[in-house]
Amino acid sequence: GAVVSQHPSWVICKSGTSVKIECRSLDFQATTMFWYRQFPKQSLMLMATSNEGSKATYEQGVEKDKFLINHASLTLSTLTVTSAHPEDSSFYICSARDHRAGGTGELFFGEGSRLTVL
Amino acid sequence: AQSVTQLDSQVPVFEEAPVELRCNYSSSVSVYLFWYVQYPNQGLQLLLKYLSGSTLVKGINGFEAEFNKSQTSFHLRKPSVHISDTAEYFCAVSGAAGNKLTFGGGTRVLVKP
Repeated sequence: GAVVSQHPSWVICKSGTSVKIECRSLDFQATTMFWYRQFPKQSLMLMATSNEGSKATYEQGVEKDKFLINHASLTLSTLTVTSAHPEDSSFYICSARDHRAGGTGELFFGEGSRLTVL
Repeated sequence: AQSVTQLDSQVPVFEEAPVELRCNYSSSVSVYLFWYVQYPNQGLQLLLKYLSGSTLVKGINGFEAEFNKSQTSFHLRKPSVHISDTAEYFCAVSGAAGNKLTFGGGTRVLVKP
């Protein structure tokens, strides 16, 4: 199946700094990627839809200036958490749709990135 | 708008016993339905999906699910669980016209020896 890779898997940063998380589709091109956030023992909440070559579409309540998303190529989307604070600590998961699978809606997920802000 | 309800937040089960995880959805359009499994500190792995056709869907690791349109349900079952099935399971729905997934709250399965 299609492979999606995230980096880093774990990151610890100081409050006020910015952190970038990368999401790559390794063996397919993804014009659309999705970023989810998962708090401990909770479900995944969609943050934004990342579209290659255009601005991301953010879900209601997600601060676009805080969570910067860039989708500069067909295989890479990045999420930058700017001026991170402890409440931003979470598990961030990206996913991508393999267009070869057709319009089935199936998404392939990255391994996730755990952010801890001290 | 779509929503997914997983009725059980936790399901303890003994090894080699059967398990059923319940999922109900609501949607105003045709739906595609999915079950994903998440192991600790990992992403999600697709267990199975319903797109159309037969309402009984078989997936990986011995799991199966049945789509019931009248009851708007998509329950997941496994006849005999293993210790390695201990994980979080998520039911999800996407509309036919788009690819955003809406997830249920998840069900934590704990398999006891």
